[in-house]
Amino acid sequence: GDSVTQMEGPVTLSEEAFLTINCTYTATGYPSLFWYVQYPGEGLQLLLKATKADDKGSNKGFEATYRKETTSFHLEKGSVQVSDSAVYFCALLKAQKLVFGQGTRLTINP
Amino acid sequence: GAVVSQHPSWVICKSGTSVKIECRSLDFQATTMFWYRQFPKQSLMLMATSNEGSKATYEQGVEKDKFLINHASLTLSTLTVTSAHPEDSSFYICSARFGGSSGEQFFGPGTRLTVL
Repeated sequence: GDSVTQMEGPVTLSEEAFLTINCTYTATGYPSLFWYVQYPGEGLQLLLKATKADDKGSNKGFEATYRKETTSFHLEKGSVQVSDSAVYFCALLKAQKLVFGQGTRLTINP
Repeated sequence: GAVVSQHPSWVICKSGTSVKIECRSLDFQATTMFWYRQFPKQSLMLMATSNEGSKATYEQGVEKDKFLINHASLTLSTLTVTSAHPEDSSFYICSARFGGSSGEQFFGPGTRLTVL
């Protein structure tokens, strides 16, 4: 069946460091891909998305590119801030249903 | 953005009792609502999809008689865990969507259920 695999956390970085959170997927066809972020005490929020191969989603300095050849959708940010501390979920949409990765907890230290 | 609330945010109950969790879309009408379950350090697993005025569609392996879902209005869906047992302890999250299948899902903050 369809699945999403994320790099295991937790990930701890210093402020202004470069961030990569790996995400790969297994699915038939060409699902839409998403990154969600969950801040403490809040619900998941859509961070960015890509609907077809080679699309790049971007928001708040975060980027991810839909790579069909490697079935990947890695999340990157050039310079992280303390306020980026949260749990990040990679997900795919297939047949109107979201399939999530296990989440990666990110902590940014000042 | 659109806001989805859940109530209660946490609940503790005794084994054998039933618990109801509410999910409300506060500033939009949700044609479809989803219920997820999340175990510690694991991903969200879709339990069921409900459309307003229709019976919920449950995912494989989810007991529909144990997890009763009602979507009686465009702003409210409820999940009732019947005859709860300790293995039902989990984090339950709802989401709501307006528009068609390409519409964005907006998530509630979740409800922590602990069954003693």
